[in-house]
Amino acid sequence: DTEVTQTPKHLVMGMTNKKSLKCEQHMGHRAMYWYKQKAKKPPELMFVYSYEKLSINESVPSRFSPECPNSSLLNLHLHALQPEDSALYLCASSLSSDSTYEQYFGPGTRLTVT
Amino acid sequence: EDKVVQSPLSLVVHEGDTVTLNCSYEVTNFRSLLWYKQEKKAPTFLFMLTSSGIEKKSGRLSSILDKKELFSILNITATQTGDSAVYLCAGLSGNTPLVFGKGTRLSVIA
Repeated sequence: DTEVTQTPKHLVMGMTNKKSLKCEQHMGHRAMYWYKQKAKKPPELMFVYSYEKLSINESVPSRFSPECPNSSLLNLHLHALQPEDSALYLCASSLSSDSTYEQYFGPGTRLTVT
Repeated sequence: EDKVVQSPLSLVVHEGDTVTLNCSYEVTNFRSLLWYKQEKKAPTFLFMLTSSGIEKKSGRLSSILDKKELFSILNITATQTGDSAVYLCAGLSGNTPLVFGKGTRLSVIA
């Protein structure tokens, strides 16, 4: 199984809503990542979890709150988002955060904030 | 600041043509360079290059890294319409997991 799954595929939320994005992998990978990708731009790293601990937070606003309940799951909790947060949110995993291993991406969640 | 620059930004070719996509990088504690293909959703992994001068091949795609000149190329021979996508190059460092370039948008027309 070389798949990273993400749910939901699409999400529309208001600025006062609270929602969560979910990511799952069963490849035994110990590093998991959240990226944000705006249209026609490359992915931008948001968070890195290594062995279920947050190891990198790329100065992301607190309205985005990551959570790694176990080695297979990664959540991104959303609260009080702004319309400019509308983007494709990609989850990825790799064997470890040691940079010699490639990352596998999930299909993404397309988020629209109204 | 780490930087990955890709060229050209966009390219239109006819089926059967051969294309070369370029990627130059300035990445501290450089470890590897990765190529991804992105169609409508998530990037799909193509190649990871760690050693200089060793070509990696997968079907009609091939790639090579030059660590002295800090660049990589991705070649696609006998292009097909299914090759139309954005090709992303990313540098892997000891500091930040992936630094992406802006991508090359390839359009292959029949």
